[in-house]
Amino acid sequence: RKEVEQDPGPFNVPEGATVAFNCTYSNSASQSFFWYRQDCRKEPKLLMSVYSSGNEDGRFTAQLNRASQYISLLIRDSKLSDSATYLCVVMSYGQNFVFGPGTRLSVLP
Amino acid sequence: GAVVSQHPSWVICKSGTSVKIECRSLDFQATTMFWYRQFPKQSLMLMATSNEGSKATYEQGVEKDKFLINHASLTLSTLTVTSAHPEDSSFYICSARDLRGSNRGTEAFFGQGTRLTVV
Repeated sequence: RKEVEQDPGPFNVPEGATVAFNCTYSNSASQSFFWYRQDCRKEPKLLMSVYSSGNEDGRFTAQLNRASQYISLLIRDSKLSDSATYLCVVMSYGQNFVFGPGTRLSVLP
Repeated sequence: GAVVSQHPSWVICKSGTSVKIECRSLDFQATTMFWYRQFPKQSLMLMATSNEGSKATYEQGVEKDKFLINHASLTLSTLTVTSAHPEDSSFYICSARDLRGSNRGTEAFFGQGTRLTVV
Protein backbone atom coordinates (compact mmCIF):
# COMPACT_ATOMS: atom_id res chain seq x y z
CA ARG A 1 0.00 0.00 0.00
CA LYS A 2 1.30 3.45 -0.90
CA GLU A 3 2.02 5.78 1.97
CA VAL A 4 -0.21 8.52 0.56
CA GLU A 5 -3.06 7.82 -1.80
CA GLN A 6 -5.36 10.18 -3.65
CA ASP A 7 -8.35 10.08 -5.94
CA PRO A 8 -7.00 8.94 -9.31
CA GLY A 9 -8.69 11.64 -11.36
CA PRO A 10 -8.73 13.43 -13.66
CA PHE A 11 -11.60 15.61 -12.61
CA ASN A 12 -13.22 17.61 -15.39
CA VAL A 13 -15.70 20.13 -14.02
CA PRO A 14 -17.46 23.22 -15.38
CA GLU A 15 -16.68 26.67 -14.10
CA GLY A 16 -18.50 27.42 -10.89
CA ALA A 17 -18.68 23.81 -9.79
CA THR A 18 -17.68 22.53 -6.38
CA VAL A 19 -15.10 19.76 -6.39
CA ALA A 20 -13.71 17.66 -3.56
CA PHE A 21 -10.42 15.78 -3.43
CA ASN A 22 -9.73 12.95 -1.05
CA CYS A 23 -6.46 11.70 0.37
CA THR A 24 -5.56 8.93 2.78
CA TYR A 25 -2.26 8.24 4.50
CA SER A 26 -0.90 5.12 6.13
CA ASN A 27 1.57 6.44 8.70
CA SER A 28 -0.32 7.16 11.89
CA ALA A 29 2.69 9.08 13.21
CA SER A 30 2.30 11.73 10.52
CA GLN A 31 2.08 15.16 12.02
CA SER A 32 1.87 17.77 9.31
CA PHE A 33 -0.35 17.85 6.30
CA PHE A 34 -0.47 20.08 3.27
CA TRP A 35 -2.12 20.54 -0.06
CA TYR A 36 0.19 21.64 -2.83
CA ARG A 37 -0.73 22.68 -6.30
CA GLN A 38 1.42 21.86 -9.30
CA ASP A 39 0.94 23.38 -12.72
CA CYS A 40 2.24 21.55 -15.73
CA ARG A 41 6.04 21.56 -15.90
CA LYS A 42 6.28 23.73 -12.80
CA GLU A 43 7.35 23.18 -9.23
CA PRO A 44 4.74 22.43 -6.54
CA LYS A 45 3.47 25.43 -4.65
CA LEU A 46 1.84 25.41 -1.25
CA LEU A 47 -1.90 25.84 -1.45
CA MET A 48 -2.65 25.45 2.22
CA SER A 49 -1.66 23.64 5.35
CA VAL A 50 -4.24 21.34 6.89
CA TYR A 51 -5.08 21.66 10.57
CA SER A 52 -6.94 19.28 12.82
CA SER A 53 -9.78 21.74 13.29
CA GLY A 54 -10.14 22.22 9.56
CA ASN A 55 -9.32 25.46 7.84
CA GLU A 56 -10.63 27.64 5.09
CA ASP A 57 -8.94 30.05 2.73
CA GLY A 58 -11.37 31.79 0.44
CA ARG A 59 -12.88 29.19 -1.86
CA PHE A 60 -10.69 26.43 -0.47
CA THR A 61 -11.50 24.32 2.58
CA ALA A 62 -9.23 21.63 3.96
CA GLN A 63 -10.16 19.05 6.55
CA LEU A 64 -8.25 16.41 8.46
CA ASN A 65 -9.57 13.33 10.18
CA ARG A 66 -6.73 11.79 12.15
CA ALA A 67 -8.77 8.81 13.31
CA SER A 68 -9.50 7.83 9.73
CA GLN A 69 -6.15 9.12 8.44
CA TYR A 70 -8.01 11.08 5.84
CA ILE A 71 -7.54 14.55 4.37
CA SER A 72 -9.82 16.43 2.04
CA LEU A 73 -9.76 19.57 -0.07
CA LEU A 74 -12.92 21.30 -1.22
CA ILE A 75 -12.88 23.93 -3.93
CA ARG A 76 -16.00 26.01 -4.34
CA ASP A 77 -16.95 28.12 -7.35
CA SER A 78 -14.20 26.64 -9.51
CA LYS A 79 -12.28 29.00 -11.78
CA LEU A 80 -10.43 28.19 -14.98
CA SER A 81 -7.24 29.12 -13.15
CA ASP A 82 -7.82 26.32 -10.66
CA SER A 83 -6.87 23.79 -13.35
CA ALA A 84 -3.78 22.02 -12.02
CA THR A 85 -2.67 18.88 -10.25
CA TYR A 86 -3.37 18.87 -6.52
CA LEU A 87 -0.88 17.04 -4.36
CA CYS A 88 -1.62 15.75 -0.89
CA VAL A 89 1.53 15.92 1.21
CA VAL A 90 2.13 14.24 4.54
CA MET A 91 5.06 14.63 6.86
CA SER A 92 6.14 12.96 10.07
CA TYR A 93 7.76 15.25 12.59
CA GLY A 94 10.86 16.80 11.10
CA GLN A 95 11.03 14.24 8.36
CA ASN A 96 10.69 14.14 4.64
CA PHE A 97 7.57 15.15 2.81
CA VAL A 98 5.72 12.27 1.22
CA PHE A 99 3.74 13.24 -1.82
CA GLY A 100 0.60 11.61 -3.02
CA PRO A 101 0.35 10.81 -6.72
CA GLY A 102 -1.77 13.92 -7.29
CA THR A 103 -5.21 14.48 -8.71
CA ARG A 104 -5.52 16.43 -11.90
CA LEU A 105 -8.29 19.00 -12.16
CA SER A 106 -9.48 20.59 -15.37
CA VAL A 107 -12.03 23.38 -15.04
CA LEU A 108 -13.87 23.81 -18.31
CA PRO A 109 -15.48 27.01 -19.62
CA GLY B 1 7.27 32.79 1.27
CA ALA B 2 10.89 31.86 1.19
CA VAL B 3 12.66 31.72 -2.14
CA VAL B 4 14.56 28.76 -3.48
CA SER B 5 16.36 29.22 -6.76
CA GLN B 6 17.21 26.26 -8.93
CA HIS B 7 19.44 26.46 -11.95
CA PRO B 8 19.37 25.66 -14.81
CA SER B 9 15.68 25.46 -15.55
CA TRP B 10 16.31 23.19 -18.48
CA VAL B 11 19.29 21.43 -19.99
CA ILE B 12 19.92 19.17 -22.94
CA CYS B 13 23.04 17.07 -22.84
CA LYS B 14 24.64 14.25 -24.72
CA SER B 15 24.61 10.74 -23.38
CA GLY B 16 27.67 10.06 -21.25
CA THR B 17 28.20 13.61 -20.08
CA SER B 18 27.60 14.99 -16.60
CA VAL B 19 25.17 17.68 -15.61
CA LYS B 20 25.21 19.79 -12.46
CA ILE B 21 22.05 21.29 -11.01
CA GLU B 22 22.22 23.96 -8.33
CA CYS B 23 19.70 24.71 -5.63
CA ARG B 24 20.04 27.85 -3.54
CA SER B 25 17.99 29.15 -0.67
CA LEU B 26 18.00 32.90 -1.10
CA ASP B 27 16.52 34.26 2.08
CA PHE B 28 16.86 31.55 4.68
CA GLN B 29 19.32 28.94 5.81
CA ALA B 30 18.44 25.48 4.60
CA THR B 31 19.72 22.87 7.00
CA THR B 32 18.21 20.18 4.84
CA MET B 33 17.68 19.92 1.13
CA PHE B 34 15.69 17.27 -0.66
CA TRP B 35 16.10 16.22 -4.25
CA TYR B 36 13.15 14.82 -6.15
CA ARG B 37 12.62 13.41 -9.59
CA GLN B 38 9.34 13.50 -11.42
CA PHE B 39 8.54 11.54 -14.55
CA PRO B 40 5.65 12.65 -16.77
CA LYS B 41 2.24 12.24 -15.16
CA GLN B 42 3.78 10.84 -12.02
CA SER B 43 4.28 12.28 -8.58
CA LEU B 44 7.50 13.53 -7.07
CA MET B 45 9.77 10.76 -5.92
CA LEU B 46 12.39 11.52 -3.31
CA MET B 47 15.89 10.68 -4.47
CA ALA B 48 17.98 11.84 -1.55
CA THR B 49 18.12 14.02 1.52
CA SER B 50 21.15 16.12 2.30
CA ASN B 51 22.04 17.89 5.49
CA GLU B 52 24.53 20.72 5.44
CA GLY B 53 28.03 19.48 5.94
CA SER B 54 27.28 15.78 5.87
CA LYS B 55 26.80 13.03 3.31
CA ALA B 56 23.47 12.68 1.60
CA THR B 57 21.08 9.89 2.42
CA TYR B 58 19.82 8.18 -0.69
CA GLU B 59 16.50 6.44 -1.15
CA GLN B 60 16.43 2.81 -2.07
CA GLY B 61 17.13 2.27 -5.73
CA VAL B 62 18.92 5.56 -6.26
CA GLU B 63 22.57 5.16 -7.21
CA LYS B 64 24.69 7.46 -5.08
CA ASP B 65 27.63 7.23 -7.47
CA LYS B 66 25.46 8.36 -10.33
CA PHE B 67 23.63 11.16 -8.55
CA LEU B 68 26.24 13.07 -6.60
CA ILE B 69 24.89 15.46 -4.03
CA ASN B 70 26.88 18.14 -2.29
CA HIS B 71 25.50 20.38 0.45
CA ALA B 72 28.53 22.35 1.49
CA SER B 73 26.75 25.40 2.86
CA LEU B 74 23.43 26.37 4.38
CA THR B 75 22.35 28.04 1.16
CA LEU B 76 23.59 25.77 -1.61
CA SER B 77 23.16 22.17 -2.62
CA THR B 78 24.13 20.64 -5.93
CA LEU B 79 23.03 17.50 -7.72
CA THR B 80 25.35 16.15 -10.40
CA VAL B 81 24.00 13.54 -12.77
CA THR B 82 27.09 11.67 -13.90
CA SER B 83 27.36 9.79 -17.17
CA ALA B 84 23.82 10.72 -18.04
CA HIS B 85 21.73 8.40 -20.18
CA PRO B 86 18.39 8.97 -21.92
CA GLU B 87 16.55 7.18 -19.10
CA ASP B 88 17.80 9.90 -16.73
CA SER B 89 15.71 12.42 -18.64
CA SER B 90 13.27 13.78 -16.11
CA PHE B 91 12.16 16.80 -14.12
CA TYR B 92 14.41 17.29 -11.10
CA ILE B 93 13.20 19.49 -8.24
CA CYS B 94 14.94 20.51 -5.07
CA SER B 95 13.29 21.44 -1.82
CA ALA B 96 14.86 23.34 1.02
CA ARG B 97 13.88 23.47 4.67
CA ASP B 98 15.24 24.81 7.90
CA LEU B 99 14.70 22.00 10.36
CA ARG B 100 16.13 23.68 13.40
CA GLY B 101 14.02 24.08 16.50
CA SER B 102 10.52 25.38 15.95
CA ASN B 103 10.96 25.32 12.19
CA ARG B 104 10.48 21.56 12.14
CA GLY B 105 7.10 20.68 10.74
CA THR B 106 6.77 23.75 8.58
CA GLU B 107 6.29 23.85 4.87
CA ALA B 108 8.97 23.08 2.33
CA PHE B 109 10.01 25.51 -0.36
CA PHE B 110 10.71 24.28 -3.83
CA GLY B 111 13.04 25.31 -6.56
CA GLN B 112 11.61 25.92 -10.00
CA GLY B 113 12.78 22.55 -11.23
CA THR B 114 15.22 21.48 -13.93
CA ARG B 115 14.05 19.66 -17.00
CA LEU B 116 16.86 17.38 -18.10
CA THR B 117 16.85 15.82 -21.54
CA VAL B 118 19.61 13.42 -22.41
CA VAL B 119 20.02 12.74 -26.10
